[in-house]
Amino acid sequence: GQSLEQPSEVTAVEGAIVQINCTYQTSGFYGLSWYQQHDGGAPTFLSYNGLDGLEETGRFSSFLSRSDSYGYLLLQELQMKDSASYFCAGHDNYGQNFVFGPGTRLSVLP
Amino acid sequence: DTAVSQTPKYLVTQMGNDKSIKCEQNLGHDTMYWYKQDSKKFLKIMFSYNNKELIINETVPNRFSPKSPDKAHLNLHINSLELGDSAVYFCASSQGTLVEGGDEQFFGPGTRLTVL
Repeated sequence: GQSLEQPSEVTAVEGAIVQINCTYQTSGFYGLSWYQQHDGGAPTFLSYNGLDGLEETGRFSSFLSRSDSYGYLLLQELQMKDSASYFCAGHDNYGQNFVFGPGTRLSVLP
Repeated sequence: DTAVSQTPKYLVTQMGNDKSIKCEQNLGHDTMYWYKQDSKKFLKIMFSYNNKELIINETVPNRFSPKSPDKAHLNLHINSLELGDSAVYFCASSQGTLVEGGDEQFFGPGTRLTVL
């Protein structure tokens, strides 16, 4: 089976950089994706890492290290609208056992 | 244009009732999903269909039955509703299965189910 762990809360100020970590324990791990969810809203896709290394999409970047069973989401130039919950998610090589992490609530302060 | 739509948005019902939630996507995707998000925000996959075929069927009570009349629709029927079924249910879609680009999923707005 799969399990993913994330910090429950992170707080940062506008304009800062924040890193949200995700560690996983799984067999046959395939890749790591990241989703953002605002209160009362639906999850929206941010990024996917199928290979080790860094993926950059605007202010957001995501990193994966399979050897360390670890990934992170990096948010730069934080804005108030980035206050939301962030989830990592992954599955095995057969497209089964798809699991979301417990989510990290990011609060951006003025 | 709404990419993934769900109806109803809110559903309040009594224990023991049977209810359905409908989902439609106009993205031309082949794969659709149902998720349950509980009050602690844990998101859990329930089912996934690819071209109307069930490909993921997690440990979910038999009272939950998905139905996919065509690849653009995936409905969720729940029998004999229980208090613990209260949650937000999200439908989602992706171009392919999880090993075929399915990690980028598009979620519907959610259906908040409250069982009294």
